[in-house]
Amino acid sequence: ETGVTQTPRHLVMGMTNKKSLKCEQHLGHNAMYWYKQSAKKPLELMFVYNFKEQTENNSVPSRFSPECPNSSHLFLHLHTLQPEDSALYLCASSPGTDSSYNEQFFGPGTRLTVL
Amino acid sequence: DAKTTQPPSMDCAEGRAANLPCNHSTISGNEYVYWYRQIHSQGPQYIIHGLKNNETNEMASLIITEDRKSSTLILPHATLRDTAVYYCIVRGTASKLTFGTGTRLQVTL
Repeated sequence: ETGVTQTPRHLVMGMTNKKSLKCEQHLGHNAMYWYKQSAKKPLELMFVYNFKEQTENNSVPSRFSPECPNSSHLFLHLHTLQPEDSALYLCASSPGTDSSYNEQFFGPGTRLTVL
Repeated sequence: DAKTTQPPSMDCAEGRAANLPCNHSTISGNEYVYWYRQIHSQGPQYIIHGLKNNETNEMASLIITEDRKSSTLILPHATLRDTAVYYCIVRGTASKLTFGTGTRLQVTL
């Protein structure tokens, strides 16, 4: 238990569906992250939020839409996805983004399958 | 951030020390060495980090060479639950974690 929870843990969706992934952290952190991990590939950073403001978008397609209503919650809204978007989506949080101590705590991930 | 090089896989007998090497020959003075691990289909787990001194915590020890161009993560008594992919990452204070392909450690009976 890392203090970062993600729901749902598994999601199957069609290409025309709209769904959302949710992440919540109970650590009092100010920064939150979305990562994507495709099969046999390294983790790829997608988005970074610091104090609810998006500070990084790593050239992610617009069919992925993040939302950070407060420092404890992070959403990833999905629409018109492609089968190649099937992956493990990981959320993480850290005290901040700009310090010598920036240990990131990861959630268990959402395993997404796009049919 | 400096690039790291790790062996793709290693084996270790249960109860023995697992020594995982990492080369980061282009590391700069203000960059830290971080280690994470990822057990199959779970989120990565922070293990330890250091700047230039050796570090130890309840999970592992981190040995950084004097020239800081390489480091070794030591799991003193490996168990089957330590089977995972181990990532060595170098980052500055204001930059992101960039995960590579890591070392797949297999702990065997």
